[in-house]
Amino acid sequence: QKEVEQNSGPLSVPEGAIASLNCTYSDRGSQSFFWYRQYSGKSPELIMSIYSNGDKEDGRFTAQLNKASQYVSLLIRDSQPSDSATYLCAARLIKAAGNKLTFGGGTRVLVKP
Amino acid sequence: GAGVSQTPSNKVTEKGKYVELRCDPISGHTALYWYRQSLGQGPEFLIYFQGTGAADDSGLPNDRFFAVRPEGSVSTLKIQRTERGDSAVYLCASSRDREGYGYTFGSGTRLTVV
Repeated sequence: QKEVEQNSGPLSVPEGAIASLNCTYSDRGSQSFFWYRQYSGKSPELIMSIYSNGDKEDGRFTAQLNKASQYVSLLIRDSQPSDSATYLCAARLIKAAGNKLTFGGGTRVLVKP
Repeated sequence: GAGVSQTPSNKVTEKGKYVELRCDPISGHTALYWYRQSLGQGPEFLIYFQGTGAADDSGLPNDRFFAVRPEGSVSTLKIQRTERGDSAVYLCASSRDREGYGYTFGSGTRLTVV
């Protein structure tokens, strides 16, 4: 079992719809979670962080964390073609040194006009 | 500097050669991380520096890989006797030493071993 798992996709979403991405993690004690967006040929870009159970909203993005069920999700509202990218989930596992993050394999999102 | 700088952006080398990849972190960031990303996969951890010392090198795949950060700023990832399987994008990131913060990646070095 991978420590951080994501569905690889592609997740195809009509423009204007909500894209829902999920991520599960194996280390129950993990505290910090991050979503990165990666355009093709570019490096990952941090878009959201979440540390507490519940929802955190930032513009069109909402991150959701459920530590009891060990999953993190990302919602993208009013999806735009420019949101087409791979979304990486990352967790700071409790056993990790410093701020070392463990990444999932990413979910590819395609927003169709 | 304003961001994490990595050089070169692209490197093509022959199998068996030695390569060095450089990372210049954001000024004031004491923590520095190297990751490797293969096509279609997420970044894979290689090594983490806190200051000059390697705090966690558990991700280095074998003894052909080595990294240094002699003055606690610029870091160099060194790969000896390169193999075709080493071909990937090598990403560097830096952060303040406080835990729990996401970090900023450089633009990466695309290494191709032919």
